[in-house]
Amino acid sequence: AQSVTQLGSHVSVSEGALVLLRCNYSSSVPPYLFWYVQYPNQGLQLLLKYTSAATLVKGINGFEAEFKKSETSFHLTKPSAHMSDAAEYFCAQNTGNQFYFGTGTSLTVIP
Amino acid sequence: KAGVTQTPRYLIKTRGQQVTLSCSPISGHRSVSWYQQTPGQGLQFLFEYFSETQRNKGNFPGRFSGRQFSNSRSEMNVSTLELGDSALYLCASSFRTGESSPLHFGNGTRLTVT
Repeated sequence: AQSVTQLGSHVSVSEGALVLLRCNYSSSVPPYLFWYVQYPNQGLQLLLKYTSAATLVKGINGFEAEFKKSETSFHLTKPSAHMSDAAEYFCAQNTGNQFYFGTGTSLTVIP
Repeated sequence: KAGVTQTPRYLIKTRGQQVTLSCSPISGHRSVSWYQQTPGQGLQFLFEYFSETQRNKGNFPGRFSGRQFSNSRSEMNVSTLELGDSALYLCASSFRTGESSPLHFGNGTRLTVT
């Protein structure tokens, strides 16, 4: 069965510090991978997607993610956290036209 | 371009009642998926419709049903509501032209069952 694992349900960083949110996928074939962000009382918004064109993917709001096949990982990073980055982040993979979501990581940004 | 629109935003129902939620996808999108989101279970896939046909279904009881109309708008129905059905119900649409097509989500319907 396909699955996506997000390590750390809660992550806290100081404003201006590096943001690192971890995601590991499980797929026997190269997957299509996505990161979404959810703000309170809103739906999920697409941050970026990996479609095998490049291993380093740049998204919106200064976020980027690197696909590492050897580690089956697709971690999300941002060099400098901003207060507005506080939200829930979801990693997802699409395999066989079925989306599989991780359980989410809540990011807190400390001023 | 208008995003995915879900109505209503909030609903309060009583156990045993039924409820219908509505979703209008992004123009041109023919696939509509529904998800249930709760703090304990995260995002759980309910079903997906493409061109009025159910393509995939998650592990939910038959009380949960859906349909899609010829204009791609979709409705989800829950009959005989239970307290555990309280959740945020999210609708997402996509072109579904391949596995690289992302989902585009609406802001959800918050259902509270009392």
